[in-house]
Amino acid sequence: SAVISQKPSRDICQRGTSLTIQCQVDSQVTMMFWYRQQPGQSLTLIATANQGSEATYESGFVIDKFPISRPNLTFSTLTVSNMSPEDSSIYLCSGRVETEAFFGQGTRLTVV
Amino acid sequence: LAKTTQPISMDSYEGQEVNITCSHNNIATNDYITWYQQFPSQGPRFIIQGYKTKVTNEVASLFIPADRKSSTLSLPRVSLSDTAVYYCLVGVDSGGYQKVTFGTGTKLQVIP
Repeated sequence: SAVISQKPSRDICQRGTSLTIQCQVDSQVTMMFWYRQQPGQSLTLIATANQGSEATYESGFVIDKFPISRPNLTFSTLTVSNMSPEDSSIYLCSGRVETEAFFGQGTRLTVV
Repeated sequence: LAKTTQPISMDSYEGQEVNITCSHNNIATNDYITWYQQFPSQGPRFIIQGYKTKVTNEVASLFIPADRKSSTLSLPRVSLSDTAVYYCLVGVDSGGYQKVTFGTGTKLQVIP
């Protein structure tokens, strides 16, 4: 199993600014994933983060808007850049251990 | 990745057994079937996983017919604390390298 610590848990940000979300895993995981979840909706995959290489982004998400870092096998960051109110959402990170995925508690972002 | 179909919502009284069925007609040979539970303001939490037949753990049972085109999550004697969204996922291979994508989920409301 794995425990994922995600921070901040919530933030209110001004439009045009950027926020970096951090995820720390208590064990090494090969793949980490970043999701977005609108209130009352399912999770949408943003990108897959691999150590030592660029993240792989899903359709509709681009690196300039959501740059991701993965410096080692236990840590990753997602930055939400040049924020607008449409970016208000919950952002979650996830790590895989064999066939099971573990999730952070999420970051509730409000852009005003 | 196999697409999943599950009911949008279900209601149940406390103490009853709840069965949530998920359809995954194009499941691949190497795919596992995994169920997650999500409470409001939390990340999804692993419940149970199976490949075929029946799997049981301390919280749920998972029934998978021989053709594996569907699966049923069974929650015995639900309580109010089981009110949550339940996600069925397929396409999680044993190698740990396949990304996890979520369907719509089933919102279970337990009624006193």
